[in-house]
Amino acid sequence: LAKTTQPISMDSYEGQEVNITCSHNNIATNDYITWYQQFPSQGPRFIIQGYKTKVTNEVASLFIPADRKSSTLSLPRVSLSDTAVYYCLVGPLYSGGGADGLTFGKGTHLIIQP
Amino acid sequence: KAGVTQTPRYLIKTRGQQVTLSCSPISGHRSVSWYQQTPGQGLQFLFEYFSETQRNKGNFPGRFSGRQFSNSRSEMNVSTLELGDSALYLCASSYGTGGADTQYFGPGTRLTVL
Repeated sequence: LAKTTQPISMDSYEGQEVNITCSHNNIATNDYITWYQQFPSQGPRFIIQGYKTKVTNEVASLFIPADRKSSTLSLPRVSLSDTAVYYCLVGPLYSGGGADGLTFGKGTHLIIQP
Repeated sequence: KAGVTQTPRYLIKTRGQQVTLSCSPISGHRSVSWYQQTPGQGLQFLFEYFSETQRNKGNFPGRFSGRQFSNSRSEMNVSTLELGDSALYLCASSYGTGGADTQYFGPGTRLTVL
């Protein structure tokens, strides 16, 4: 199971672009990279998922280099409401049974200031 | 479409007691996963069920158990509660067999063990 490493915390300001990088050196061929956002006392919420290159949706972009050993979540023009914990998750799209459940890690606490 | 619901939302128990938490997935979702979240350990995977079968299990003692019913609703049980079991317990559902398939989280059950 691929282990992920993210910065514990990051600070930015409203209107800025924020990039959060996740390292996953042991990513497997069939692993996907998924990012979740969590506000206090709420369950995590799916943001974006990708396998390689670049994925973009209405809230974020995900950049994955060719070696897939890292990925970067990009949040354009952040606002105060983007203050949350962001989790990078690496795992197969379909579970294969056994003790290979998903590992969320500690996440990155992003603080947006006015 | 209604989201994932968890009951109860808050629970206070004493050491040695047992507790049962309930999760109703999004209609049509067949996979349910459970997670424990504490300030010190972050989000930790407990187990995953699909079509009433446990497909994955995290590294938790046997006091933690679960099951899934034919309507995909799931329960988890913790016996002989310890102080360290105080946590936010999150349930997530997905359409497929779990893994990195997009998971939709419920609001969680806040368990306090005194």
